[in-house]
Amino acid sequence: NAGVTQTPKFRVLKTGQSMTLLCAQDMNHEYMYWYRQDPGMGLRLIHYSVGEGTTAKGEVPDGYNVSRLKKQNFLLGLESAAPSQTSVYFCASTEGYGYTFGSGTRLTVV
Amino acid sequence: GNSVTQMEGPVTLSEEAFLTINCTYTATGYPSLFWYVQYPGEGLQLLLKATKADDKGSNKGFEATYRKETTSFHLEKGSVQVSDSAVYFCALGSLQGAQKLVFGQGTRLTINP
Repeated sequence: NAGVTQTPKFRVLKTGQSMTLLCAQDMNHEYMYWYRQDPGMGLRLIHYSVGEGTTAKGEVPDGYNVSRLKKQNFLLGLESAAPSQTSVYFCASTEGYGYTFGSGTRLTVV
Repeated sequence: GNSVTQMEGPVTLSEEAFLTINCTYTATGYPSLFWYVQYPGEGLQLLLKATKADDKGSNKGFEATYRKETTSFHLEKGSVQVSDSAVYFCALGSLQGAQKLVFGQGTRLTINP
């Protein structure tokens, strides 16, 4: 009953450090997305992928990179973390008719 | 571009009260409309959807009707329960192409016994 799994669930980084967030889905979905959730702002799209080996920029891509080397995995990287990247990050996937979301990663950059 | 505006929260109601959460949108073309619900500490879950004008989505006692003339998709429930306490997000998007969704800012709902 996995669906979309995100790791880690929580992380604290120091400014300038790097990290990778992993999203894995077991539903064979083509489309995958990374969103960030900030208070009062809803969810904003960072990057997305329409299939293995493809990536594209969303609404707020600056400071992030992504890769989709395998269909089931979508990685979100922060090369040099900044306090403005403190947020809750959600991964989602779909094959149409609505998204399936992971449970989120809460990232704090100090 | 596309955008979604939800009523400001938080909303606090008593159990068995009638609920309305307003959602209006701006979009080009003919998007699909969605309501998602987020319980504490969890990801978002699809609550209901409508894919064309005048469609009514429904689930778990919640309903919303796609109104093209007023560009609205208001969420309603006749009698809320404590277990309905959550954050509700209205969203729009296409079921074709990249299927990107645009979300409203969310409305926090608290139901008191």
